[in-house]
Amino acid sequence: GAVVSQHPSWVICKSGTSVKIECRSLDFQATTMFWYRQFPKQSLMLMATSNEGSKATYEQGVEKDKFLINHASLTLSTLTVTSAHPEDSSFYICSARGGRRTDTQYFGPGTRLTVL
Amino acid sequence: SQQGEEDPQALSIQEGENATMNCSYKTSINNLQWYRQNSGRGLVHLILIRSNEREKHSGRLRVTLDTSKKSSSLLITASRAADTASYFCATDANRGGSNYKLTFGKGTLLTVNP
Repeated sequence: GAVVSQHPSWVICKSGTSVKIECRSLDFQATTMFWYRQFPKQSLMLMATSNEGSKATYEQGVEKDKFLINHASLTLSTLTVTSAHPEDSSFYICSARGGRRTDTQYFGPGTRLTVL
Repeated sequence: SQQGEEDPQALSIQEGENATMNCSYKTSINNLQWYRQNSGRGLVHLILIRSNEREKHSGRLRVTLDTSKKSSSLLITASRAADTASYFCATDANRGGSNYKLTFGKGTLLTVNP
């Protein structure tokens, strides 16, 4: 149980385009979902926290107009990178909290974004 | 600096040896969690230890927590090549409300040589 999926697993796009990444909790209802960014050989940096049906809470320094987060249901959250630039290239990981254990986050497999 | 910081940054051992990784943090916590990440993949939750616990075991994993020193250690016994991964500690220092989050350390890259 407690499986989180992400789609796509990797994406290559041209500079200036927008990319949407989906995060789904497959077998539990996620009260909260988190979006992280990870650069090579570095730790996870929390970008934003989203609760179902409410606006996401962004961490300091994260542009909310650039990284649009929608958490429309208890099993789905999306991250849209708008007008992507090469510096947005990174590994994006979502996680979800909910189900029987609320003190643990369950992570998706990540999405590798490359902006040309 | 980050709430959780692991050391060493990298550790290379032979199969069968034990691997010990340490994590230090700065504020009081509710619990501390260890995660594993294989290269280019998501994180897998390994073990959670609460602030009132001192030691916890799960299979070949042993975690200790010393709240007086604000530190934790993860011991992997009888390591295998498949244990090669990055290991992160994460602290839960939340005080309730809707802004729950974990703070991750920088990680230890463990390489187990066959």
